[in-house]
Amino acid sequence: GQNIDQPTEMTATEGAIVQINCTYQTSGFNGLFWYQQHAGEAPTFLSYNVLDGLEEKGRFSSFLSRSKGYSYLLLKELQMKDSASYLCAVMDSNYQLIWGAGTKLIIKP
Amino acid sequence: ETGVTQTPRHLVMGMTNKKSLKCEQHLGHNAMYWYKQSAKKPLELMFVYSLEERVENNSVPSRFSPECPNSSHLFLHLHTLQPEDSALYLCASSQDSGHWTSEQYFGPGTRLTVT
Repeated sequence: GQNIDQPTEMTATEGAIVQINCTYQTSGFNGLFWYQQHAGEAPTFLSYNVLDGLEEKGRFSSFLSRSKGYSYLLLKELQMKDSASYLCAVMDSNYQLIWGAGTKLIIKP
Repeated sequence: ETGVTQTPRHLVMGMTNKKSLKCEQHLGHNAMYWYKQSAKKPLELMFVYSLEERVENNSVPSRFSPECPNSSHLFLHLHTLQPEDSALYLCASSQDSGHWTSEQYFGPGTRLTVT
């Protein structure tokens, strides 16, 4: 079966750095997405990786290793507004998105 | 209005009621999706429409009935639901389905409670 694993919850301190991991087992691979979802709001797109390596976008970076079935989302200089759930999703060989259950990130002052 | 909108935002219905959820996208996209989001569970894809034709139906119970009259509008008709159907129902759109570059844009969701 297809599976996406990410931690259920993480806590970090304002101004610090946090890494949210995602491991996947899917039938084929056509890219990995990260979305952010604030409580009661719509998920919003953060990043897309299809090749190995690090993609940087401001305070957020996303890394992919296809051989290891592994990705992480790195958030720097954490702000209180970064408190949200972070969803990892992989596009399989049928171009269908397989979603993880999300990681709830709690930022403390 | 911009982006993807959904109405109503909250809905409480009895098991014998019939109701409909509405989604509208103002992005000129060709594909639209219905997802179910339950607490601490992955998003479950329910239906995919591409150019108004249904291309994906992930074995969803028949008490959920989608309708896509045009590429901007998507409905989810509900009847004789069960309490376990209580969840957040998200609508999304993308430029195309079946393409790796198509990031999805989500609406704010309808919080459904079945009593």
